[in-house]
Amino acid sequence: AQTVTQSQPEMSVQEAETVTLSCTYDTSESDYYLFWYKQPPSRQMILVIRQEAYKQQNATENRFSVNFQKAAKSFSLKISDSQLGDAAMYFCAYRSKSRGSQGNLIFGKGTKLSVKP
Amino acid sequence: GAGVSQSPSNKVTEKGKDVELRCDPISGHTALYWYRQSLGQGLEFLIYFQGNSAPDKSGLPSDRFSAERTGGSVSTLTIQRTQQEDSAVYLCASSLAAGGPNEQFFGPGTRLTVL
Repeated sequence: AQTVTQSQPEMSVQEAETVTLSCTYDTSESDYYLFWYKQPPSRQMILVIRQEAYKQQNATENRFSVNFQKAAKSFSLKISDSQLGDAAMYFCAYRSKSRGSQGNLIFGKGTKLSVKP
Repeated sequence: GAGVSQSPSNKVTEKGKDVELRCDPISGHTALYWYRQSLGQGLEFLIYFQGNSAPDKSGLPSDRFSAERTGGSVSTLTIQRTQQEDSAVYLCASSLAAGGPNEQFFGPGTRLTVL
C-alpha cells in the first residue's frame, strides 16, 4: 500500500521569503501522480500543483514549484515570495495510475504554514 | 458552473442518532469521492462512485456507514447510531472521470460533532 509522509507538522515563514515543505512517499509503482493541496480555514481543499511521475521536469505554478526526486521518493513544495494569503494547511497527496485504481487520493498528515508580516 | 456543495455545513448530534450528509457534485462529473478528515487519522478515503455504482466499499470505517448516489449526481453518506469517534469533517470531491489527469474538486465539507 502507498503511504505519504509529511515530517513537518508546522512551518513558519516571513512575508516575501521562501519556504520549502517536505513530503516523502512510498510506493512500488513506477507511474503515478503527486499533488500539493492547500486547505485554508474555510476547509475548501484547493489544488496547488500536480506532478506526473514519468515527467522528469519539475512542475511550476507561478510562485509554487516542486522538487521531485523520483528515486528518493521525495516531493517537496517551494513557495517563493510568501504572501499572507498562503497561510494554510498544506497536504501532499499521491494517486495511483494503476488499472484497478479508484483514483482516490492518499494524503499525508499535513503541514500548517504560518506567514508572518 | 457552481462548485461542489455539501450540506449541512455543520451538524451536531447526540450519540446513537443517525445522520445524513449530502454532496452535490459539479454537473457532468461522473466520479465522486468521500473523505473523512479527523484529528487522529488525518484525511482518509471512504468511498468512490463512478456513476451510481460504488465498486468497493471496503474503505468505509464500519457497517454503520453507508453511501448512495442517485441519478449519477447527488450523493448521501449516512452514519447510523453515531459514536463520538465519528466526529470529523466529511469532505466530498468530484471529477470528470476517475483517475487519469482529472482534477478532484472538493466541497467545503460537513463538520460533524457527536456529543
